[in-house]
Amino acid sequence: AQSVAQPEDQVNVAEGNPLTVKCTYSVSGNPYLFWYVQYPNRGLQFLLKYITGDNLVKGSYGFEAEFNKSQTSFHLKKPSALVSDSALYFCAVRDLEYGNKLVFGAGTILRVKS
Amino acid sequence: GAVVSQHPSWVICKSGTSVKIECRSLDFQATTMFWYRQFPKQSLMLMATSNEGSKATYEQGVEKDKFLINHASLTLSTLTVTSAHPEDSSFYICSARDGLAGVTDTQYFGPGTRLTVL
Repeated sequence: AQSVAQPEDQVNVAEGNPLTVKCTYSVSGNPYLFWYVQYPNRGLQFLLKYITGDNLVKGSYGFEAEFNKSQTSFHLKKPSALVSDSALYFCAVRDLEYGNKLVFGAGTILRVKS
Repeated sequence: GAVVSQHPSWVICKSGTSVKIECRSLDFQATTMFWYRQFPKQSLMLMATSNEGSKATYEQGVEKDKFLINHASLTLSTLTVTSAHPEDSSFYICSARDGLAGVTDTQYFGPGTRLTVL
């Protein structure tokens, strides 16, 4: 069965430092992977997605993610964190065999301190 | 582009009343919309898939008579929580897909509706 794991409940990073939010997945077919960000009391904002092609995907607000098929990972990264990046981040996978529905990870809280 | 709105953003109601939440895709047509529920500090739980012009598909464990979904047009889906009770208090989020249900489509989410049932 398809699943998404975000092994860290919370990630703390100093402003200006690089950040990584981890995500691993399990699907039976080809993975279609997404990252979303949620600010308090708001809906989810789309950051980026991997469908096919280049393993390094660039998205909104300077974020990027690297698809690694052998490690079944899709970690979110940013070279230099901003305090305003502090939010809840969700990784999601879409699996054809699951009716094209998105399956979300549990979420990772990112805290960037100045 | 790809903006999804929800109305209202928050609502407080008395137990036993019904509440309607609207979800609109503002700049694209959405044949498929989704309704999620999110509890504090938890991930999103898919409640149902709303298809324009047809009946919604509910996830296992979601009462279809309690959570009525209507998708009357390509830009509007509504969720009605009937006879609401305090345990229905939650954050409800809708999303819309920007394509024709292809696997590569992106889902765009509304800002959410905070429902509090007294």
